[in-house]
Amino acid sequence: AQSVTQLGSHVSVSEGALVLLRCNYSSSVPPYLFWYVQYPNQGLQLLLKYTTGATLVKGINGFEAEFKKSETSFHLTKPSAHMSDAAEYFCAVISGDFGNEKLTFGTGTRLTIIP
Amino acid sequence: DAGVIQSPRHEVTEMGQEVTLRCKPISGHNSLFWYRQTMMRGLELLIYFNNNVPIDDSGMPEDRFSAKMPNASFSTLKIQPSEPRDSAVYFCASSGGDRGLANEKLFFGSGTQLSVL
Repeated sequence: AQSVTQLGSHVSVSEGALVLLRCNYSSSVPPYLFWYVQYPNQGLQLLLKYTTGATLVKGINGFEAEFKKSETSFHLTKPSAHMSDAAEYFCAVISGDFGNEKLTFGTGTRLTIIP
Repeated sequence: DAGVIQSPRHEVTEMGQEVTLRCKPISGHNSLFWYRQTMMRGLELLIYFNNNVPIDDSGMPEDRFSAKMPNASFSTLKIQPSEPRDSAVYFCASSGGDRGLANEKLFFGSGTQLSVL
């Protein structure tokens, strides 16, 4: 079964510093991977996804992630953190057969931005 | 489109009471998912439907939990009887199209914050 593991439940970075949120996956087949963001008191929103093709994926709000098969990783990065990036971030993977698929999420990483 | 609509936004109830959470997916979407979010366990998939048919309910924690989707525009998640450990945020999400989740976006509602006293 496909699964993802997020390393670090809490990450704090200074405003303007690099953001790095870690996600490793486990999959017996080529994975479809996602990053979602959850702002306080809201539902989740899609940041970016990797399905096939280019391994460096760019998303909204300046975030990007790189699929590295050799490391089974899909880490999320942003060169310069902004106060508005404070949120919880979830890595996710698709599992199930086509037509009956589901998204399985990691446990989440809460990102705090220090002024 | 108004997006995925969940009601109520907040529910406070006493242990032993029946709780019903409601979800209206985005019009035209054919897949619906119920998730539960807690600090301890993160986001857990409880059940999902495809074309109103339950596909996988292995995430439903106990028989106290049940979910229905009587038509394409409405789903309920019921807890009877409720217990304090059911306190969590419950999210509904929907997806449309026939290209699978890899290509179709999953849209989340704003959630229902459930507190069982």
